[in-house]
Amino acid sequence: RKEVEQDPGPFNVPEGATVAFNCTYSNSASQSFFWYRQDCRKEPKLLMSVYSSGNEDGRFTAQLNRASQYISLLIRDSKLSDSATYLCAVLNTGGFKTIFGAGTRLFVKA
Amino acid sequence: GAVVSQHPSRVICKSGTSVKIECRSLDFQATTMFWYRQFPKKSLMLMATSNEGSKATYEQGVEKDKFLINHASLTLSTLTVTSAHPEDSSFYICSANPTSAEHEQYFGPGTRLTVT
Repeated sequence: RKEVEQDPGPFNVPEGATVAFNCTYSNSASQSFFWYRQDCRKEPKLLMSVYSSGNEDGRFTAQLNRASQYISLLIRDSKLSDSATYLCAVLNTGGFKTIFGAGTRLFVKA
Repeated sequence: GAVVSQHPSRVICKSGTSVKIECRSLDFQATTMFWYRQFPKKSLMLMATSNEGSKATYEQGVEKDKFLINHASLTLSTLTVTSAHPEDSSFYICSANPTSAEHEQYFGPGTRLTVT
């Protein structure tokens, strides 16, 4: 079983739609959780950290469910510029290694 | 924010040659750096943890004699792909964790390696 799993998609949505991604992780001792955005042929960029209480940044909402070991990302009012691959990442503090999911591809169309 | 650079950004080499990729933290010191590899439409796969002043820690399945890592200073780690083969063609990305804030991670822009 992979340490971090995501639905690879792709998700094809119209502009203005709301889209949700889920990610599961296997290491119950994982400490920190993140969503990254990666554009084609570029390095990943941190989108937001994920906290147990849930956190929101504009149109983006991230949630963590430790009991079920999953992380979610909700994007509201999708824009064309949101088209990218979204990577779920888990940081295991022993050695501060970040493990990435395979990424979920999102295409937002006009 | 913190900046990490990689050099070269793109390299094409012939089979059997070795290629060195540099990862530098430009405005912070990094005791720990990480090297990832990413194949097209795949996720970033952690190859190794680069530790300043000591040997790198390799992930399972990654050949340490094939991928030589040197972290000689607090701002520089190098990855050398030795005796490169076409299957080594990939996108190599480094990241650096500031010594003062090891839970933070900053990625370099990546190096695209093509082995012909």
